[in-house]
Amino acid sequence: QKEVEQDPGPLSVPEGAIVSLNCTYSNSAFQYFMWYRQYSRKGPELLMYTYSSGNKEDGRFTAQVDKSSKYISLFIRDSQPSDSATYLCAMSSTSGSRLTFGEGTQLTVNP
Amino acid sequence: KAGVTQTPRYLIKTRGQQVTLSCSPISGHRSVSWYQQTPGQGLQFLFEYFSETQRNKGNFPGRFSGRQFSNSRSEMNVSTLELGDSALYLCASSSGRSTVGYTFGSGTRLTVV
Repeated sequence: QKEVEQDPGPLSVPEGAIVSLNCTYSNSAFQYFMWYRQYSRKGPELLMYTYSSGNKEDGRFTAQVDKSSKYISLFIRDSQPSDSATYLCAMSSTSGSRLTFGEGTQLTVNP
Repeated sequence: KAGVTQTPRYLIKTRGQQVTLSCSPISGHRSVSWYQQTPGQGLQFLFEYFSETQRNKGNFPGRFSGRQFSNSRSEMNVSTLELGDSALYLCASSSGRSTVGYTFGSGTRLTVV
């Protein structure tokens, strides 16, 4: 079983919809939780990160971490066609350690 | 400021050959990590180098190796290529003090035929 599970999708939504992306994990040592966005033929770029449990908001994006359930989420409000990409969750146990990624969810926002 | 540069962007090799991929990190970054990305497996950690020393290694066979030079540029080598080595190989650099500071390159797409 993988340490981080993420539904690969694909997920297709109309423009303006609220998108919910999720990951579950099994390693209790994970403390740093990140979301990356990867456009086609590009490398992943960091969208948001959270340390331990809680919520973090940045514009249209909200990240949530529930360590008790080993579950993290990324919400995208008012989704735009430019949000169409693959979204990857990533985690690490300490600040400088390796990242463990989910498989990624492919999102398409239709105009 | 220039990003992480990976060369070449695309590569086609035959089974049994070897290949060397190159990564130039962001100026001032001393840590370089390598990841393999495949459909179904996602991104898997290969290894990390910091100041020319391998600091961390993933669960890949010994055919996968790397090194880092004094200017922080890094290379990874795969010997005796197998069809299953076909993947996007991503390099990420950071200052070395924080995981959230990783910046990824656009990757090298390796196809083994």
